[in-house]
Amino acid sequence: DAGVIQSPRHEVTEMGQEVTLRCKPISGHNSLFWYRQTMMRGLELLIYFNNNVPIDDSGMPEDRFSAKMPNASFSTLKIQPSEPRDSAVYFCASSPLGVTRTYEQYFGPGTRLTVT
Amino acid sequence: AQTVTQSQPEMSVQEAETVTLSCTYDTSESDYYLFWYKQPPSRQMILVIRQEAYKQQNATENRFSVNFQKAAKSFSLKISDSQLGDAAMYFCAYRSARSSGDKLTFGTGTRLAVRP
Repeated sequence: DAGVIQSPRHEVTEMGQEVTLRCKPISGHNSLFWYRQTMMRGLELLIYFNNNVPIDDSGMPEDRFSAKMPNASFSTLKIQPSEPRDSAVYFCASSPLGVTRTYEQYFGPGTRLTVT
Repeated sequence: AQTVTQSQPEMSVQEAETVTLSCTYDTSESDYYLFWYKQPPSRQMILVIRQEAYKQQNATENRFSVNFQKAAKSFSLKISDSQLGDAAMYFCAYRSARSSGDKLTFGTGTRLAVRP
């Protein structure tokens, strides 16, 4: 079975450019999470969706960041305009959602973003 | 808000020996889950072990076991018979049991080196 798929794996862009990160969750998983990992702040949640609906976006740094989940099999995280401080590894994770509460989150390989 | 603390930025162990990584957390909830994730140089986040707070028995997965002390809010990971492949960053994480679709809160991580 395919795991969580993220693209691109690496992205290098110039300050001010728009960046779009993509995620395909595991089929059948109804929860999707976007995390960011930096040396300074560690791993932090940006936003998560249940059944395609955003539940908690309090971790989104500012209006430059936006995330969408138009259907159960696809999500995007967009940064516009990008800044050097956005350089980080961005992880997407998914998990099932249901009456059983012990589901784990499965992580994608991450996208390493470098903004110059 | 929940917080997770890993007080050991780096640890080192001799191959075949045992090492314990520490984790403490703060929460006002009584029902929750705790996890240890491993992140090797490949960046992939790999679930090592999971503990349900309502279970008194400590979780075990082969060479990995935990010491869960709910009253002390402590959740340490013991790695027995350490192997070179265990070298990685290890993250402790907390998740509320309010629903299966909820975020993980991570500690800052412990980098484990394994000496041959």
